[in-house]
Amino acid sequence: EVQLLDSGGGLVQPGGSLKLSCAASGFDFGGYAMSWVRQAPGKGLEWVSTLSGSGRSTYYSDSVKGRFTISRDNSKNTLFLQMNSLRAEDTAIYFCAKKADSVVTEFDSWGQGTLVTVSS
Amino acid sequence: SYVLTQAPSVSVTPGQTARITCGGNNIGSYSVNWYQQKAGQAPVLVVHDDSDRPSGIPERLSGSNSGNTATLTISRAEAGDEADYYCQVWDGSTDHVVFGGGTKLTVL
Repeated sequence: EVQLLDSGGGLVQPGGSLKLSCAASGFDFGGYAMSWVRQAPGKGLEWVSTLSGSGRSTYYSDSVKGRFTISRDNSKNTLFLQMNSLRAEDTAIYFCAKKADSVVTEFDSWGQGTLVTVSS
Repeated sequence: SYVLTQAPSVSVTPGQTARITCGGNNIGSYSVNWYQQKAGQAPVLVVHDDSDRPSGIPERLSGSNSGNTATLTISRAEAGDEADYYCQVWDGSTDHVVFGGGTKLTVL
């Protein structure tokens, strides 16, 4: 059974940094692209970033490009999101999500989410 | 950038059919995926590649895609179908994932 466990969320001041983690199990982690998707309070889903299975190809939404960095450690079956220069509008639940195969495919499994609050 | 448009809300009577639409320019040329998100939970994939259902998703949920509109159809609606539904595509011209704004389905 595929399991994705998101962690690392919390309260951070504007301009601060935070690093999210997603521990994966139940599948060949390195064989699948992975993503982060966020949801602001009371709002819809917003794609943040995607990383290929090898880790060589990265994709970012315009709203986070240059501030966030997605990475993975395939030896530890873990996905990361380093978030810098955080803004109030980055406040959201962050979900890690597994792609069914490559970066262009659907999200077939999701983590439970971790809440990031950016506030002074 | 590519935009997907969904109505904010749809209502249906139990046992009737609900249709949730997702509009986009020539969306018929894209592969559309649909997600169901119940209150306080993570999204769940219910339809992928326009009309395929993952294992465990009931046949009452079906998808179609043509022209400028993709549709998620929920037949014989049940109280348990109440949720937010999101359409999603991969935009190859920008290498971005795109989500629709979501539709809240109410089963009255």
